[in-house]
Amino acid sequence: EVQLLESGGGLVQPGGSLRLSCTGSGFTFDIYAMAWVRQAPGKGLEWVSGISGTGGNPTYYADSVKGRFTISRDNSKNTLYLQMNNLRTEDTALYYCAKDFKTGAHYFFDYWGQGTLVTVSS
Amino acid sequence: DIQMTQSPSSVSASVGDRVTITCRASQGIASYLAWYQQKPGKAPNLLIYAASSLQSGVPSRFSGSGSGTDFTLTIDSLQPEDFATYYCQHANSFPLTFGGGTKVEIK
Repeated sequence: EVQLLESGGGLVQPGGSLRLSCTGSGFTFDIYAMAWVRQAPGKGLEWVSGISGTGGNPTYYADSVKGRFTISRDNSKNTLYLQMNNLRTEDTALYYCAKDFKTGAHYFFDYWGQGTLVTVSS
Repeated sequence: DIQMTQSPSSVSASVGDRVTITCRASQGIASYLAWYQQKPGKAPNLLIYAASSLQSGVPSRFSGSGSGTDFTLTIDSLQPEDFATYYCQHANSFPLTFGGGTKVEIK
């Protein structure tokens, strides 16, 4: 059974940093592209960042997070990361990690984690 | 960036109705489009990929069509478990973007 388990969310002040993790199981982690998608409270879905499988390059970012967030993966640990720096109040959201539905990089997502909540507030 | 515009933003329907949701891309995206269903407190669920391909395990009452800039999700014979919010998402280029969502409510 495919599972994605996020962790690392929490309350942080504006300007602060957090690192989110997403551990995958039940599939061959390193051959799938992965992504982070967020959802602000009561709002719609927003794609944040994506990363290809195997070598972890290339990486992609939404304009709203470019230069502040860094996506990476450690395939030996079946884990996806999102390093978030210089956080803003508008980054407050539930952050999901999501798995590409096929090998290669298609960027349609068939499995999602349960989400980890990031709250940016003073 | 490619903008995805969904309509309507909400629709009231009854069990057994046919519901149609549209998604328009601000520029051509060929068939690089997916549809997701999201229920309250749950992660999204992939329904349709490549505009018209039904994801494994998804009931056949769901169908997708379109290419280029205009796409449609159709739910034939709406069931109680289909009341949810639906999102389109393009994968033509980066950044990926989602539509604003369509809430399907019980009439």
